[in-house]
Amino acid sequence: DTGVSQDPRHKITKRGQNVTFRCDPISEHNRLYWYRQTLGQGPEFLTYFQNEAQLEKSRLLSDRFSAERPKGSFSTLEIQRTEQGDSAMYLCASSLGQGRGEQYFGPGTRLTVT
Amino acid sequence: GQNIDQPTEMTATEGAIVQINCTYQTSGFNGLFWYQQHAGEAPTFLSYNVLDGLEEKGRFSSFLSRSKGYSYLLLKELQMKDSASYLCAVRRDDKIIFGKGTRLHILP
Repeated sequence: DTGVSQDPRHKITKRGQNVTFRCDPISEHNRLYWYRQTLGQGPEFLTYFQNEAQLEKSRLLSDRFSAERPKGSFSTLEIQRTEQGDSAMYLCASSLGQGRGEQYFGPGTRLTVT
Repeated sequence: GQNIDQPTEMTATEGAIVQINCTYQTSGFNGLFWYQQHAGEAPTFLSYNVLDGLEEKGRFSSFLSRSKGYSYLLLKELQMKDSASYLCAVRRDDKIIFGKGTRLHILP
């Protein structure tokens, strides 16, 4: 257990529905990252926050995806009008904004779109 | 752009030594990470190299050559629990760019 938690751990939804995932980082970490991982691939960067500011979004992140970190603590990732291609593991990670910058990952939310 | 290459799969025997290589070409470089990921679980941090040379931590060592864009992870005295994917990842400013990972199978 790294201290990063994600909820839910699994989500099955029908195509076209909206889903929201939550991530609670390690409390003293000011950076929070979202990744998507599919089978046989490494984690792909989606977006990251420093405190409450969203500093970068990947071109992979279509306008159906939105992320927030309103108070600089937990974050949510929402996917609107889900598609089957959105099926993946969504990983959250957090880090201190200094030093080596290693990221500590949560257990992930596995999304299945039927 | 960025490109991180590592073998897709490797097989080794319990008790042996295995070296997993990684080459990278990235538009920026601030260090190189290795992460371990067991099936169905999140990646966990193994090592970090920012200067050239070898970093040793117990049974695991990681090497970096920045001029060659090359790193390796060396695992000694392999145990069955080392069966996992090993992810090579480059730090670029505040971000980490991951390779696709090497799936390591350990045979008894």
